[in-house]
Amino acid sequence: EVQLVESGGGLVQPGGSLRLSCAASGFTFSTYWMHWVRQVPGKGLVWVSRINSDGSSISYADSVKGRFTISRDNAKNTLFLQMNSLRAEDTAVYYCAAGVTYWGQGTLVTVSS
Amino acid sequence: QPVLTQSPSASASLGASVKLTCTLSSGRRSYAIAWHQQRPEKGPRYLMNINSDGSHSKGDGIPDRFSGSSSGAERYLTISSLQSEDEADYYCQTWGTGILVVFGGGTKLTVL
Repeated sequence: EVQLVESGGGLVQPGGSLRLSCAASGFTFSTYWMHWVRQVPGKGLVWVSRINSDGSSISYADSVKGRFTISRDNAKNTLFLQMNSLRAEDTAVYYCAAGVTYWGQGTLVTVSS
Repeated sequence: QPVLTQSPSASASLGASVKLTCTLSSGRRSYAIAWHQQRPEKGPRYLMNINSDGSHSKGDGIPDRFSGSSSGAERYLTISSLQSEDEADYYCQTWGTGILVVFGGGTKLTVL
């Protein structure tokens, strides 16, 4: 059974940092391009970042460029999102997705003082 | 980057059929798209890919009631024999330059 399990979300103050993790199982993680997608509660899906299968090619949405860093550990079947200089507008549920074919259940990030 | 346009809402009766539309922006009618379903309080679920010629490939375990088609810049998701569990948000999605992912605004489907 394919599983993507996000963790690391929580409440953080503006300007703070969080590191999200996404543990993958049930498929060959190392062959998939991976994505982070976020969703403000009650709103639509917004793509955040993607990384290719070996980590050599990375892209970010303009809204997070310079603040967020995506990475992966293929030996541990895990995807990461390091989020720095967090803003109130980064508040959302963050989903990881494998090639947009498989999705996790999301982890909530709340940026508030 | 391409832009995807979806109607914000749709409704149909239990047991009926509904056709959701996703429109690609000008000059992008050759693009493939994917459809995703998001039930309340759940993560998205991949339904299928649809190519510009209308051919489509469904995700694992997606019922035959779900089908896809294409005409020009429009991509369709048809759900037949509607069930209460089909009440959800439906998002279309495509790929921009550099395999960036673009989503439509989503359609909220109500099953009456």
